[in-house]
Amino acid sequence: QSALAQPASVSGSPGQSIAISCTGSSSDIGSSIFVFWYQQYPGKVPKLMIFEGTKRPSGVSDRFSGSKSGNTATLTISGLQPEDEADYYCCSFTESYTHIFGTGTKVTVL
Amino acid sequence: EVHLEESGGGLVQPGGSMRLSCTFSQLTFSHYWMHWVRQAPGKGLVWVSRVSPDGRSADYADFVKGRFTASRDNAKNTLSLQMNSLRVEDTAVYYCVSLGYSDEVWGQGLLVTVPS
Repeated sequence: QSALAQPASVSGSPGQSIAISCTGSSSDIGSSIFVFWYQQYPGKVPKLMIFEGTKRPSGVSDRFSGSKSGNTATLTISGLQPEDEADYYCCSFTESYTHIFGTGTKVTVL
Repeated sequence: EVHLEESGGGLVQPGGSMRLSCTFSQLTFSHYWMHWVRQAPGKGLVWVSRVSPDGRSADYADFVKGRFTASRDNAKNTLSLQMNSLRVEDTAVYYCVSLGYSDEVWGQGLLVTVPS
């Protein structure tokens, strides 16, 4: 099973909102509430930003929000800040009882 | 502080074997599904395997099925990944992680190198 599809890069100016899409299939995103989003800085361990599609772990800014429609999940970052510049990955549980990550999106703050 | 301490890793020849271990400091991890995720140098995250809380079942990505075995010993607070028939493409940093829980924790990562 190949990776979930994400745009390679997304950019925005400080204060703007950006959205990162994550497209899968009816066998993963389309059939699971277990969709996650991660932020990763170069050389660092990934950090969970969204779990169960829409929920934020304690300590994660409310500027980060998650949603899902059909086979596509979306991470929205509002009020973009310089420290949001990082790689972002989606992840979904699948009908085969496995998990699958997205291809990753590099966010650049202009 | 919640902690996952990984050990093992290093250089292994193609076709060889290696065992990774992950020790968890918090007893609640014994109730969690525990996962292995890897990341090849300069590449994205890839899910590898997960083990049930009681250790009785495990699931694997197709590309490691039949070669890797994930297990756990809750009495010793340890998660393991036995990797056999290693290939060049298995070169990556391997992470143990309590994936998807609101209090998710990642290990520091271990580099496994299989040279060509």
